[in-house]
Amino acid sequence: RKEVEQDPGPFNVPEGATVAFNCTYSNSASQSFFWYRQDCRKEPKLLMSVYSSGNEDGRFTAQLNRASQYISLLIRDSKLSDSATYLCVVRGSSGSARQLTFGSGTQLTVLP
Amino acid sequence: EPEVTQTPSHQVTQMGQEVILRCVPISNHLYFYWYRQILGQKVEFLVSFYNNEISEKSEIFDDQFSVERPDGSNFTLKIRSTKLEDSAMYFCASAAELNTGELFFGEGSRLTVL
Repeated sequence: RKEVEQDPGPFNVPEGATVAFNCTYSNSASQSFFWYRQDCRKEPKLLMSVYSSGNEDGRFTAQLNRASQYISLLIRDSKLSDSATYLCVVRGSSGSARQLTFGSGTQLTVLP
Repeated sequence: EPEVTQTPSHQVTQMGQEVILRCVPISNHLYFYWYRQILGQKVEFLVSFYNNEISEKSEIFDDQFSVERPDGSNFTLKIRSTKLEDSAMYFCASAAELNTGELFFGEGSRLTVL
């Protein structure tokens, strides 16, 4: 089983749609969780951290289910500028308590 | 806004040649990292560096790789004898805190080994 697994997509959605991405991680001892965004041929950038109680940042909502080792990201009212690859990132996954392990990413294209 | 800068943006080299990729982390950051991303694949951890020494390294970071902070600003990744499979985008990142999830990445150095 991959350490951090994501549906690669692509997800093609119309502007204004709601879209959800899922991620699973293999190491139950993983400590913290994040969503990063990566635009085509650019560097990853932190989108948001994921907290146990769930958290929201504007149109973005992140949820964590430790029992199922599952993380999600919900984007409401999609904008063209949301088109990117969304990376699920876990700290403490690959035997190191500190390093970040990246998923392969889910590609989103928001269509006009 | 402070940023991590990397040079060169693209380097083409022959197999077996040495390459040095350079990074200038954000000035008040203490933790430095190199990651790589082979085209179409995931971002992979190579090495972390703190207080002038390697903190952790992955299996990818073998004897062909080394890192150095030669002065107060630059952080370099050296590949001694490049292989075809070293072709990738190499990202430098820095962080202000140890256990933060917020790494600030540079724009990357694309290495092409022929």
